[in-house]
Amino acid sequence: QKEVEQNSGPLSVPEGAIASLNCTYSDRGSQSFFWYRQYSGKSPELIMSIYSNGDKEDGRFTAQLNKASQYVSLLIRDSQPSDSATYLCAVTGVITGTASKLTFGTGTRLQVTL
Amino acid sequence: DAGVTQSPTHLIKTRGQQVTLRCSPISGHKSVSWYQQVLGQGPQFIFQYYEKEERGRGNFPDRFSARQFPNYSSELNVNALLLGDSALYLCASSLVLALDTQYFGPGTRLTVL
Repeated sequence: QKEVEQNSGPLSVPEGAIASLNCTYSDRGSQSFFWYRQYSGKSPELIMSIYSNGDKEDGRFTAQLNKASQYVSLLIRDSQPSDSATYLCAVTGVITGTASKLTFGTGTRLQVTL
Repeated sequence: DAGVTQSPTHLIKTRGQQVTLRCSPISGHKSVSWYQQVLGQGPQFIFQYYEKEERGRGNFPDRFSARQFPNYSSELNVNALLLGDSALYLCASSLVLALDTQYFGPGTRLTVL
């Protein structure tokens, strides 16, 4: 079982629709959860971070966390063509008391069509 | 404020050669992490450094090494390059350590021929 799992897509949504991206993780000790957006050939750009159960909204983006189900999601409202990118789910795990690492899923490719 | 910077942007090497990649973190950030991203995959953790000490290491061979300098910049060295080392190498900086948000630099694209 992969540590962080995402559907690779592509997920295709029409412009103006809601895009729903999902992620599951295996380490119950995970404490921090992130969504990064990555355009082709570029580096990951932080979109959202979430640390506690529930929803967190920032503009058109809403992150949802359910630690009991080990599930994180990202909703993008009013999707725009510029949202077309790969979305990476990342989970922080503590390696030792003073170190941590991000574990990434393989990413979901989102295509917003006109 | 400047973000994370990395150099060079692109690099082409041949098998068996050695390469050094450089990273400067966001001003005020003391922790630097290195990741390798091969095409179609998510980034994989290589190292984390904090206050010039290695604090974490991923599942990479000893050909990979790194260090952090007093100004918190960092270098990643890869010896005896293999074709499979071709990837985007990402540096991420964070304010301190565990659980902190990591911000990525633009990356160095390494091609091994």
